[in-house]
Amino acid sequence: GENVEQHPSTLSVQEGDSAVIKCTYSDSASNYFPWYKQELGKRPQLIIDIRSNVGEKKDQRIAVTLNKTAKHFSLHITETQPEDSAVYFCAASSGNKLVFGAGTILRVKS
Amino acid sequence: NAGVTQTPKFQVLKTGQSMTLQCAQDMNHNSMYWYRQDPGMGLRLIYYSASEGTTDKGEVPNGYNVSRLNKREFSLRLESAAPSQTSVYFCASSEVFGTAAYEQYFGPGTRLTVT
Repeated sequence: GENVEQHPSTLSVQEGDSAVIKCTYSDSASNYFPWYKQELGKRPQLIIDIRSNVGEKKDQRIAVTLNKTAKHFSLHITETQPEDSAVYFCAASSGNKLVFGAGTILRVKS
Repeated sequence: NAGVTQTPKFQVLKTGQSMTLQCAQDMNHNSMYWYRQDPGMGLRLIYYSASEGTTDKGEVPNGYNVSRLNKREFSLRLESAAPSQTSVYFCASSEVFGTAAYEQYFGPGTRLTVT
């Protein structure tokens, strides 16, 4: 079955800097790659997703890139703000199941 | 729209007790899911229901049972709770068309402690 690895497990950046979180997946049939943000005590919420027929997608300060050959995808957050502090999860899916990475705790220091 | 709702929000059980976690969605989604979240381990799929009338095991199904009561409701039952089942449980729903998955919407979670 699918296996998703996520790095780093924690990431501290200064406000205004960029943050990059990387994930690798094992199943070449996976075709949907969402990223979720989870604030302390809250539910996970989708922030951006990408499908396997697209290499890059942007939404304001957030972008995701996908390299199907290498089976990895990354989340890029530019101009980080304190409210970006949260746990971020990547996931991969080849149908109706998502497999999640273990999560990255992002701390933005002001 | 309430989205995905879960009850209860918190629960404390003694080892060996049973309980049912309830989940409902009002988005007319076909697929529903139960996850558990433990520190440092992300979200792990317990069971899912691709459509009304079907259920399948996920990554960590042992000790749990599920019922897809109708299109809206998907319940998770712990028959004999164990301390290893202490966790935060999330229900989610989504649409899936063929092999194309879409955003999963999560409920607020149930924090379960088994002593």
